[in-house]
Amino acid sequence: GIQVEQSPPDLILQEGANSTLRCNFSDSVNNLQWFHQNPWGQLINLFYIPSGTKQNGRLSATTVATERYSLLYISSSQTTDSGVYFCGGGSGGYQKVTFGTGTKLQVIP
Amino acid sequence: SQTIHQWPATLVQPVGSPLSLECTVEGTSNPNLYWYRQAAGRGLQLLFYSVGIGQISSEVPQNLSASRPQDRQFILSSKKLLLSDSGFYLCAWRDPALHFGNGTRLTVT
Repeated sequence: GIQVEQSPPDLILQEGANSTLRCNFSDSVNNLQWFHQNPWGQLINLFYIPSGTKQNGRLSATTVATERYSLLYISSSQTTDSGVYFCGGGSGGYQKVTFGTGTKLQVIP
Repeated sequence: SQTIHQWPATLVQPVGSPLSLECTVEGTSNPNLYWYRQAAGRGLQLLFYSVGIGQISSEVPQNLSASRPQDRQFILSSKKLLLSDSGFYLCAWRDPALHFGNGTRLTVT
């Protein structure tokens, strides 16, 4: 099956700093998503981005499908951005989504 | 709009006891439904998915089973819980983005 690698595994930022999270896939995917898991465990859908670039406020994401990777940019980080960021993707008829092990982000004031 | 409900939110069960977790989706018909499990500090593991009533596919052979008795209802069960069944269980549906419920935190003692 598809393998998903996320980097870095852990990240500590000063409030206001920018960061880039990366997600690599072992094979082509056609349903890539980014999620934020908050401290209560809720998984919030950030981007559905099989290809191209999308922006939502301070967050943006870029997927280069031909090279099997995606990037999540966080600008002007805030303490509420803390949590774990997951990327997931898959292919095939039932569109199963395989996840990476996440990037744990801590934003300190 | 579509919403997904999971209950209970937390559950403590002794080893050897049965389990039943329920997930329902509102506002859509014939959704693809998924059960994921997240062990403490780990990524998300796909357990089961369903593309219709009575149609269940298992991703990981284990102590759990799933059923879909109605179009928008997905149930995760076990006849006898093991300690290793502890974790955070998440139900999800696709549109084609994946949307998660708030999860059930299960502790087997």
